[in-house]
Amino acid sequence: SQTIHQWPATLVQPVGSPLSLECTVEGTSNPNLYWYRQAAGRGLQLLFYSVGIGQISSEVPQNLSASRPQDRQFILSSKKLLLSDSGFYLCAWSVGEDQPQHFGDGTRLSIL
Amino acid sequence: GQNIDQPTEMTATEGAIVQINCTYQTSGFNGLFWYQQHAGEAPTFLSYNVLDGLEEKGRFSSFLSRSKGYSYLLLKELQMKDSASYLCAVRAPGRRALTFGSGTRLQVQP
Repeated sequence: SQTIHQWPATLVQPVGSPLSLECTVEGTSNPNLYWYRQAAGRGLQLLFYSVGIGQISSEVPQNLSASRPQDRQFILSSKKLLLSDSGFYLCAWSVGEDQPQHFGDGTRLSIL
Repeated sequence: GQNIDQPTEMTATEGAIVQINCTYQTSGFNGLFWYQQHAGEAPTFLSYNVLDGLEEKGRFSSFLSRSKGYSYLLLKELQMKDSASYLCAVRAPGRRALTFGSGTRLQVQP
């Protein structure tokens, strides 16, 4: 069966520091991969999605970037975090565009 | 543009039935998803509707009317563990990802 791993679960970082969140999927090949952010009490905002290695699409301009160095690995990065980057970050995968997305456990990021 | 509306909060009693509504205005439609999200946890997939009608899955059912841009999630025999947020999400043609509503926070009381 397919599983998705996301780490770390919780992260506290100072303003201006770099960020790297990693997500890996097991049990499937060539998944669609997604990064979402969820502010407290709000819906999910899509940040990036990828349909293959090296293929990244950005939904909103921001301080973050994403990379897909391997088929089942998706990384969210920032060179310099801002206070507004705080939130709950969720990685998700799907078999195809019209199939359900399955989420990792999320990373709660707090910027001080 | 994409717009999805859900009630912010609902309260129901253990053992009862609750209906959570979702209306959407999107540029086209390729399917509607319902997710459950417990506080502090990731969303989990509940149901998928692409054609009009009712999809039943145990205690949970989801209904879709494409002509009305309307869906609901029906939860029967409510249990305390059903207290969670319920997210409605729509996929529009030409968009690779889902557009999520802000979610409905359901509180089940004894």
